Amino acid sequence: QAQLQESGPGLVKPSGTLSLTCVVSGVSISSPNWWNWVRQSPGAGLEWIGEVSHIGTNNYNPSFRSRVTISLDTNQFSLKLSFVTAADTAVYYCARRTMSTYAMDVWGQGTTVTVSS
Amino acid sequence: EIVMTQSPATLSVSPGERVTLSCRASQSINSNLAWYQQKPGQAPRLLIYDASTRTAGLPARFSGSGSGTEFTLTISSLQSEDFAVYYCQQYSIWRTFGQGTKVEIK
Repeated sequence: QAQLQESGPGLVKPSGTLSLTCVVSGVSISSPNWWNWVRQSPGAGLEWIGEVSHIGTNNYNPSFRSRVTISLDTNQFSLKLSFVTAADTAVYYCARRTMSTYAMDVWGQGTTVTVSS
Repeated sequence: EIVMTQSPATLSVSPGERVTLSCRASQSINSNLAWYQQKPGQAPRLLIYDASTRTAGLPARFSGSGSGTEFTLTISSLQSEDFAVYYCQQYSIWRTFGQGTKVEIK
């Protein structure tokens, strides 16, 4: 049973870089899956940010492509979002989708990130 | 970007009633649609994918239908644990979510 857990700073300064990690347990991160980041804010609702495959291939939402990096590590994957503004304040979720569907079947509990000086 | 529009925004329902939630895509997405349920303080939970395929263990009272631009999530007899916000998500071109329908107790 796959489980995901986000971690990272809860406060980031404007123009800085938001960095989050998602620890994967119950399944190997090298197994055929895609590892996603999604965020949720009152203003924008749920937004898909991007994903990385088990072999390191990326797909990014064009809205974030210029400032986002999602990468793979040992039993975890990470999100870096640069040049943040108050509009990037949100709950950030990591999630998995399998190779057979684009729907995300396993989610972390979410972590709140506030962008403020 | 494909825009997903859900209606209504809020639905007031009594337990035991049949509920129908709608989701419309701004262009055809074939059957590339998922439904999620979200309760306060929790992450979204996948219910339905490929428009009509239920996830393992999902009660049979949940069903999804539609293709192209018009989709429906039906709950045949609403239970107390079903009061939540429901989101649709397309994955035909990138991924976008609807704004959600809140199902609340009448």
